[in-house]
Formats: sequence, structure tokens, C-alpha cells
Amino acid sequence: NAGVTQTPKFQVLKTGQSMTLQCAQDMNHEYMSWYRQDPGMGLRLIHYSVGAGITDQGEVPNGYNVSRSTTEDFPLRLLSAAPSQTSVYFCASSRSSSGRVYEQFFGPGTRLTVL
Amino acid sequence: AQSVAQPEDQVNVAEGNPLTVKCTYSVSGNPYLFWYVQYPNRGLQFLLKYITGDNLVKGSYGFEAEFNKSQTSFHLKKPSALVSDSALYFCAVRDPASNTGKLIFGQGTTLQVKP
Repeated sequence: NAGVTQTPKFQVLKTGQSMTLQCAQDMNHEYMSWYRQDPGMGLRLIHYSVGAGITDQGEVPNGYNVSRSTTEDFPLRLLSAAPSQTSVYFCASSRSSSGRVYEQFFGPGTRLTVL
Repeated sequence: AQSVAQPEDQVNVAEGNPLTVKCTYSVSGNPYLFWYVQYPNRGLQFLLKYITGDNLVKGSYGFEAEFNKSQTSFHLKKPSALVSDSALYFCAVRDPASNTGKLIFGQGTTLQVKP
């Protein structure tokens, strides 16, 4: 299994540009999520999904969109990039079932710089 | 609201000495608690979790954590530190009342183990 993969690894954008960060997992996990990591602030949840066709907002959703058309893929879209979105972005996935608690598996991250 | 606090930005310890990385939480009910480790330029890796049962939880790489309900703490420990343990450590909590799998992370503690 490749686990959780993310592309690209690095990206530089200009203010106002749009782009999509890709995330895929091959573990048939129902739950997927996107976090951003900023120094001294830990990881903050942007959006999450409990299954194909179901998404919801996390702590810091503004400026980001997601969709979940398949179990495997969970892309994150920046509609109009702003310097405040400069960060490292992590995608994560886990199994999800009633009565059991599973750990999340993280991708390697995408380092995004917005100029 | 749920929250997690890691009161130390950095912990320094000599190789071979015991280490403790502190974590306190605030959540209604009985929490689900996790520790993750992040090595430079990598994603987060799961170390251990507490769901219920024995208050002492053993995890990967010789780490363990003690759940203390009265002190609302979940400190990470290792009897003998290695230089290779140097990394960024995150504590996280999941609300057991939530079926979405959402995690709330602390801000992280950098562990520096010196030879």
C-alpha cells in the first residue's frame, strides 16, 4: 500500500491564483481530512469527510473548498490564494466505524507559499 | 469546547535519561487521546492512543503515556531517550461524542535529545 499520497510536495503561487492540492489513499478509509500546520499553532482542521459525497467544515475552512466524489480522493481547492494561506498542508485518513476508534494516517505534506 | 495544551515548546534531555512530554486536555466526558510524532519534513506518525481501560498505554518506539483523569493529563514518557527521538511531538484529543473522527491538536513540543 502507498498509504496517503499528496501532490505536489512544493508549490509557489501568486496572490489571487487558484490551485488544487491532491490527496489520495489506497486503504479504503472512510474518513479523510485536511489540516494546515503553522509554527506554534499545531495542526488545524480545514475540512473533513466521513465518506464519498459527504464533507463538512473544520476550524479554518474559509478560502478552501473540498469535494469527495470517490472513497480514494479528497482534493483541496484554494479559490483565490492569499499570503495568509502560506502553510504546510497535510491530508489524513482513517477507518471509521461505530464503536471503534482508529488512528489517522498522514500524508507527507504540501508546502505552499503564496507571494 | 475541546482543547489540548502542550505547555512546553521544547524539552531538552540527555541521551539515556528518561523523558516526559506533557499534555493536558479539556473535553466533556471521557476523551480519546493520541500522540503523534513528526520528523523533519515528514508527515505525522501515530505513536499511541488511549481509548479506555488501563491508564498506562504502550506505543511505538518504546514510548508510553499515562492517562490521568483527575489531572486531565496524558503525558508521553520514555524510560531512556535516544538521539533519534529528537522530533516534534503532538498530543491530540477526539471528542467521544462525535462520530466524525475529528481531532484537535496541541501546538506541539520539540524534543531535543543530546548525546
